[in-house]
Amino acid sequence: DVKVTQSSRYLVKRTGEKVFLECVQDMDHENMFWYRQDPGLGLRLIYFSYDVKMKEKGDIPEGYSVSREKKERFSLILESASTNQTSMYLCASGRRGARAGGYTFGSGTRLTVV
Amino acid sequence: GESVGLHLPTLSVQEGDNSIINCAYSNSASDYFIWYKQESGKGPQFIIDIRSNMDKRQGQRVTVLLNKTVKHLSLQIAATQPGDSAVYFCAENKGAAGNKLTFGGGTRVLVKP
Repeated sequence: DVKVTQSSRYLVKRTGEKVFLECVQDMDHENMFWYRQDPGLGLRLIYFSYDVKMKEKGDIPEGYSVSREKKERFSLILESASTNQTSMYLCASGRRGARAGGYTFGSGTRLTVV
Repeated sequence: GESVGLHLPTLSVQEGDNSIINCAYSNSASDYFIWYKQESGKGPQFIIDIRSNMDKRQGQRVTVLLNKTVKHLSLQIAATQPGDSAVYFCAENKGAAGNKLTFGGGTRVLVKP
């Protein structure tokens, strides 16, 4: 059973903290994505990566950075967490060239910044 | 199903009835569309997709209709079951590098027994 695993289901962090959200996939996928999900706004793309050490900004990259040192792992970093970054964060992966219907999503990390 | 801010539209449907979920997409250049289902505590799961050269596609108990003239997408679920209760998202692929998706705001479907 293919998997995208996000390291934490729930996180509570303080304003100003540096936060790391980890995502690991076991499908040898080239593409990996980070989305945030807020009620009524759907999923919004923060960053994506189509290869190791490659990254591209999505629609809402401000306040975030990413790291892809290994193919299977894609990390989302909140440099200095703020309360408006309280959200559900979803990681996804997919094969290069595959249509997005082939994406697999993780179960999400619900981050609360206090 | 279009993103309208913080309010999530809700569709209540009787078990056994058909459900229709609607979505307006934004970019006439989008060439690929997907419906996802998200159950509580889980990530979105792929339901069905359709390319822009089609106007209808059927799966198991689901049908997606695409009207490019008015940029409208719908998902029909036949004989709705309790397990269909979830949030449903449409997404469009604008063909950008990396197959970036743009998601709608989602519609919550509640199935009444």
